[in-house]
Amino acid sequence: QSVLTQPPSVSGAPGQTVTISCTGSSSNIGAGYDVHWYQHLPGTAPKLLIYANINRPSGVPDRFSGSESGTSASLAITGLQAEDEAVYFCQSYDSSLSGWVFGGGTKLTVL
Amino acid sequence: QMQLVQSGPEVKKPGTSVKVSCKASGFTFTTSAVHWVRQPRGQRLEWIGGIVVANGDTDYAPNFHERVTITRDMSTSTAYMELTSLRSEDTAVYYCATELGSGNAFDIWGLGTVVTVSS
Repeated sequence: QSVLTQPPSVSGAPGQTVTISCTGSSSNIGAGYDVHWYQHLPGTAPKLLIYANINRPSGVPDRFSGSESGTSASLAITGLQAEDEAVYFCQSYDSSLSGWVFGGGTKLTVL
Repeated sequence: QMQLVQSGPEVKKPGTSVKVSCKASGFTFTTSAVHWVRQPRGQRLEWIGGIVVANGDTDYAPNFHERVTITRDMSTSTAYMELTSLRSEDTAVYYCATELGSGNAFDIWGLGTVVTVSS
């Protein structure tokens, strides 16, 4: 089954930079479908962070950036802050599954 | 403020149906598309399907197309997701989310509705 693979957890100290990867396949990211990234805090609605691989919606700090290459995408967070502690997940479209697919989510811990 | 307000938690018996609502406010509902996504505890998000509000066109995930119906009521800016023939594996948090113009990303999400299927 075509899915998006993310590391279960990452961590970093305040001020540091962390990167979260999202590995797909030739039927989703590798086929050119856009990758979107979301931030999810427990008990709240998921929040769109990055859309179409590299774009930030209005109001999202420029500490958050996205990139994409081949069958993978990445989310980078610079200048880590305590409030960044959350679960981050990626999303893309999969042609073999004829629908949207999501990564398993990565829990970011700010040390 | 743009938001999606979902209906409250549901407890259902196996074999029955559930209908979850999602009321939009703060944006033009008629020019959006609404999707439904679920997340069983400890598992990844799973897309169920979506509807183009303007014309009612629907698209369902192959895993759900025989059991799900997504509708909308433009007069109340509300979308609905009905899932039939419930089984224990359908126990999950169900989210609605809308496309508002950030490519085809899901710009706004609801808080989620907990659906529990138990005998």
